[in-house]
Amino acid sequence: DAKTTQPPSMDCAEGRAANLPCNHSTISGNEYVYWYRQIHSQGPQYIIHGLKNNETNEMASLIITEDRKSSTLILPHATLRDTAVYYCIVRRLNNAGNMLTFGGGTRLMVKP
Amino acid sequence: EPEVTQTPSHQVTQMGQEVILRCVPISNHLYFYWYRQILGQKVEFLVSFYNNEISEKSEIFDDQFSVERPDGSNFTLKIRSTKLEDSAMYFCASSEGAPNQPQHFGDGTRLSIL
Repeated sequence: DAKTTQPPSMDCAEGRAANLPCNHSTISGNEYVYWYRQIHSQGPQYIIHGLKNNETNEMASLIITEDRKSSTLILPHATLRDTAVYYCIVRRLNNAGNMLTFGGGTRLMVKP
Repeated sequence: EPEVTQTPSHQVTQMGQEVILRCVPISNHLYFYWYRQILGQKVEFLVSFYNNEISEKSEIFDDQFSVERPDGSNFTLKIRSTKLEDSAMYFCASSEGAPNQPQHFGDGTRLSIL
């Protein structure tokens, strides 16, 4: 699976949009981009995933560049409860049993 | 919303003892996983399980580890003879059968080896 690079930490003001970048310059055509987050002491929580088109759900939006070498997770109105470690993971899908490879992620601190 | 549940939330065991961690995956899911996270470190994949057999495993998943789906609802991880370095959070996850469907995680079992 392609390697990802994320900033180790970011701050965001409560109520503002949080934009979390991810670099995956070695991504290949059959690899999806997944975003998870881990709130302290809890299991990783799935947020969103995409292949090449931008995606939006009730939690977030995912913007993938046209060359697919980077992406941005957007939390439109961050709250204190969004403070967590956010993981960008690239996953090859030749079968449904493929593991997720977690990196260090970005520690997002939402401040009042 | 359906969720993955894990029991117990915290397990304390003497070194050398066997331990079984239990998970109830989401009911219509077909793929099951175990991951672990040593305190302060990354989440690491252990094993994936489909159609009653292991489909993928990592180097961590050695002969001391085994997985089982003993009935239609439970998925277990057994560590045969625990070591101090097995102390970690253990997360179970499950996913539907379609290849791009995400894995959903439980809140983990904290395993402490004394």
